[in-house]
Amino acid sequence: AQTVTQSQPEMSVQEAETVTLSCTYDTSESNYYLFWYKQPPSRQMILVIRQEAYKQQNATENRFSVNFQKAAKSFSLKISDSQLGDTAMYFCAFIWANAGKSTFGDGTTLTVKP
Amino acid sequence: DVKVTQSSRYLVKRTGEKVFLECVQDMDHENMFWYRQDPGLGLRLIYFSYDVKMKEKGDIPEGYSVSREKKERFSLILESASTNQTSMYLCASSGGTRNNEQFFGPGTRLTVL
Repeated sequence: AQTVTQSQPEMSVQEAETVTLSCTYDTSESNYYLFWYKQPPSRQMILVIRQEAYKQQNATENRFSVNFQKAAKSFSLKISDSQLGDTAMYFCAFIWANAGKSTFGDGTTLTVKP
Repeated sequence: DVKVTQSSRYLVKRTGEKVFLECVQDMDHENMFWYRQDPGLGLRLIYFSYDVKMKEKGDIPEGYSVSREKKERFSLILESASTNQTSMYLCASSGGTRNNEQFFGPGTRLTVL
């Protein structure tokens, strides 16, 4: 079975600073995708960034980037120039390439302070 | 844009009642999922479906069943609700060329008294 571990239940960061959320996973699969999702307070879960396991280049989406270390099974999310709207719970997710079945981490609650 | 809708945002039921949670997606996605979200436990997969009338158990299927009679609709059924099924339930769908990205509904907060 796949496991996803987010070791930081809560984090905080000052507005405009950079923060990194950690995620490690365990799998014997070779073909999969990794995602970071964001769930703002009382709002819908939305995608932040995705990474295909077969790609070595780290994904980037504006202020969001990942550090994907496949051998170490690590997939951290870096948020640059943090904004108040980044306050949310962030989930790391492992999704099988074939069936789409997924395993999510327990989440990290990020608070951006003014 | 993909839209995933869930029949209720809040639901209150009594122990022993049969509960239906409905989910509809409008993007012709093959895959649909039901999760429950509890504090400190993240999202746990209950069931998923990769085609009409097809279903597979997730990590915590006990006490739940599902139905997928049409491609766009995926129902979660609690045959006899219990207080330990009080939770937030999230539906999601995926498919097409978006690398298995899952699109989520707004969630249903179910309270079983």
